[in-house]
Amino acid sequence: EAGVTQFPSHSVIEKGQTVTLRCDPISGHDNLYWYRRVMGKEIKFLLHFVKESKQDESGMPNNRFLAERTGGTYSTLKVQPAELEDSGVYFCASSQGFRSEQYFGPGTRLTVT
Amino acid sequence: GNSVTQMEGPVTLSEEAFLTINCTYTATGYPSLFWYVQYPGEGLQLLLKATKADDKGSNKGFEATYRKETTSFHLEKGSVQVSDSAVYFCALRGVSGGYQKVTFGTGTKLQVIP
Repeated sequence: EAGVTQFPSHSVIEKGQTVTLRCDPISGHDNLYWYRRVMGKEIKFLLHFVKESKQDESGMPNNRFLAERTGGTYSTLKVQPAELEDSGVYFCASSQGFRSEQYFGPGTRLTVT
Repeated sequence: GNSVTQMEGPVTLSEEAFLTINCTYTATGYPSLFWYVQYPGEGLQLLLKATKADDKGSNKGFEATYRKETTSFHLEKGSVQVSDSAVYFCALRGVSGGYQKVTFGTGTKLQVIP
C-alpha cells in the first residue's frame, strides 16, 4: 500500500512568488492534516480536513496560506505571496479516523529567497 | 495549551553506546505520548507510543515509559547502531486543544559514529 506522498520534495522560490504544495493521502483516509517545521523548531499543526471540509484551520499562520481538498482526495497548500519566514518543511499526514494513527509524508522543503 | 520540551541536539554517540533523549510535556488530562523518527530523506515514522500512565512503549530496541508524576517520556536504547542516526521527535495528542492535533517537540538529531 502506498504511503502519503508529497510533491515537490524541494521548492526554491523568490519572495513574493507563489508556490503550491501537493499531498496525496493514503487511499481511503478521510482525514488529512498539514504541519510545518520552521527553522529547526517544533513541527506545528496547520489544519485538518475531513474529506473536503476544513475541520480545524486554527494553525494557519495568515491569509497568505490557502489549503484545499477538492473531491476529498489530494490536497494542495498554496502560499501567495511567499515571504522569507515561510521557509521550512511542510508535512502532510493522513488517518482513517480522527483518533487513528496519523501517517506522515516525507515533507516538502520550501526555501524562500 | 499543550507543549513538549525535549533535549536539544545534536547528540553524537559511538556505536553500541547507551542513548537517552529526555522529553517532558505539559497537558491537561491524560494525553497519549509518542516518539516519531525521521531518517534522512524519509518521512516521519511512528517509533513507539504509550496511551496511559506507566505504560511502556517499545520498538526496534527503543523504549519509553509514560511517567505521569514527572510528566516525562524519555527515549532510551541500550546499544545504538549507525542505522539509528536520525531526528527524533517527542509528541503528544490530548483532548485539550483537540485530539486531531499532534503537538511536537523541537526534535533531537542523533548521529551514531562507527
